[in-house]
Amino acid sequence: AQSVTQLDSQVPVFEEAPVELRCNYSSSVSVYLFWYVQYPNQGLQLLLKYLSGSTLVKGINGFEAEFNKSQTSFHLRKPSVHISDTAEYFCAVSDSGNTPLVFGKGTRLSVIA
Amino acid sequence: EAEVAQSPRYKITEKSQAVAFWCDPISGHATLYWYRQILGQGPELLVQFQDESVVDDSQLPKDRFSAERLKGVDSTLKIQPAELGDSAMYLCASTFSYNEQFFGPGTRLTVL
Repeated sequence: AQSVTQLDSQVPVFEEAPVELRCNYSSSVSVYLFWYVQYPNQGLQLLLKYLSGSTLVKGINGFEAEFNKSQTSFHLRKPSVHISDTAEYFCAVSDSGNTPLVFGKGTRLSVIA
Repeated sequence: EAEVAQSPRYKITEKSQAVAFWCDPISGHATLYWYRQILGQGPELLVQFQDESVVDDSQLPKDRFSAERLKGVDSTLKIQPAELGDSAMYLCASTFSYNEQFFGPGTRLTVL
C-alpha cells in the first residue's frame, strides 16, 4: 500500500521569504502525486499535480514542485510567501488508475509578518 | 465553476444519536469518495463509489456507518449511533477521471 511522509508538521517563515515543504512517498511502479491546500474549516483545494512528463510542475498561487523518482520525493516550493499562504498543506499519492488518494499528515505553514 | 456541495457544514450531536451527511458531486462525475479527517491529520478514505456501486468500503466501520448513492448522483453518509471518536471533518470528493479529485467544503461533526 502507498504511504506518504510529510517531514515537517509545522513550518514558520517570514513574509517574502522562500519556503520548501517536504514530501516523500513509498515507491511504486507509477504514481500520481498531488499537493492540496486547506484553509481553516474548508475543503481541500488542488495546488498542483504530477501525472507524467516534466518533473518540474507549476501550480496555482506561485507554487511549484519537483518530482524526484530516485529520491521518491515531491517537495513543494514557493520563492516568496505571503500572509495569505498561511494554511495546512497536504501531499497525496495515488496509483495509476481510479484509486483513492493517500494523504500525508499535513504541514502547517505559518507566514509571519 | 462547478463545485461539490455538502450539507450541513456543521453538525453537533450527542453520542448515541444518528447523523447523516449529504454530498452532491460535480455533474457528470461518476466516482465519488467519502473521506474522514481527524483534527491534525490528513484525510482517510471511508468509501468509494463508481456510479451507484461501492468500489471500496474496507475502511468503513460498518457496524455504525453506512453510505449509499442510490441513483449514482448524490450520496448520503450515515452514522448510527454516533460515538465521541467520530468527531471529525467529513469530506466528499468527486472525479471524472483519475487525474484530479474535487473536494467539497466538508461537514464538521462534533459529538458531545
